[in-house]
Amino acid sequence: VTQIPAALSVPEGENLVLNCSFTDSAIYNLQWFRQDPGKGLTSLLLIQSSQREQTSGRLNASLDKSSGRSTLYIAASQPGDSATYLCAVGENYGQNFVFGPGTRLSVLP
Amino acid sequence: DAGVIQSPRHEVTEMGQEVTLRCKPISGHDYLFWYRQTMMRGLELLIYFNNNVPIDDSGMPEDRFSAKMPNASFSTLKIQPSEPRDSAVYFCASSLGHRGANIQYFGAGTRLSVL
Repeated sequence: VTQIPAALSVPEGENLVLNCSFTDSAIYNLQWFRQDPGKGLTSLLLIQSSQREQTSGRLNASLDKSSGRSTLYIAASQPGDSATYLCAVGENYGQNFVFGPGTRLSVLP
Repeated sequence: DAGVIQSPRHEVTEMGQEVTLRCKPISGHDYLFWYRQTMMRGLELLIYFNNNVPIDDSGMPEDRFSAKMPNASFSTLKIQPSEPRDSAVYFCASSLGHRGANIQYFGAGTRLSVL
């Protein structure tokens, strides 16, 4: 599982896209997490393999199994969105997650 | 619910000592996961349990690592003897079933430093 870019810095208010790529098209599901410095992970969105996207507030995640890609779209970014975002691919009926290295996002006021 | 609770939050020990990390999952969750996070390797799954039974421990790095889940509300990850390369943040997570949403809820982690 790979994530691009590794780090991203944007001014407040911008819309942005984080990318996640995986090689196994037979995934069970895919989950996006947020990790704040020194903290655990917080689940943002979970997409089942039969779904194409999930939305929660300003966040929208898409899944394209055939191309092995998922994107996390953040609308109208805010400084509070600054964190590391990790995607995790669910294998083995969703009980084994393989994590990407994360994208470190900084939203500047 | 208070969420997944891990203790201690920080642990500093000397090489060769035994280290025990503790986790209390969310009440009612039937899956429990132990992860390790390092700068070099990112987040790695070590082992997971279903209904207190270890299902997959292929991520456990070596025999120095062991994990137990004596009941539905408690799990331990033990390192004996500890080595400096074990220094990392160890996370515990729990989830409810594998049908429907598999959202994993993470604890705050234990930062382990082995000197």
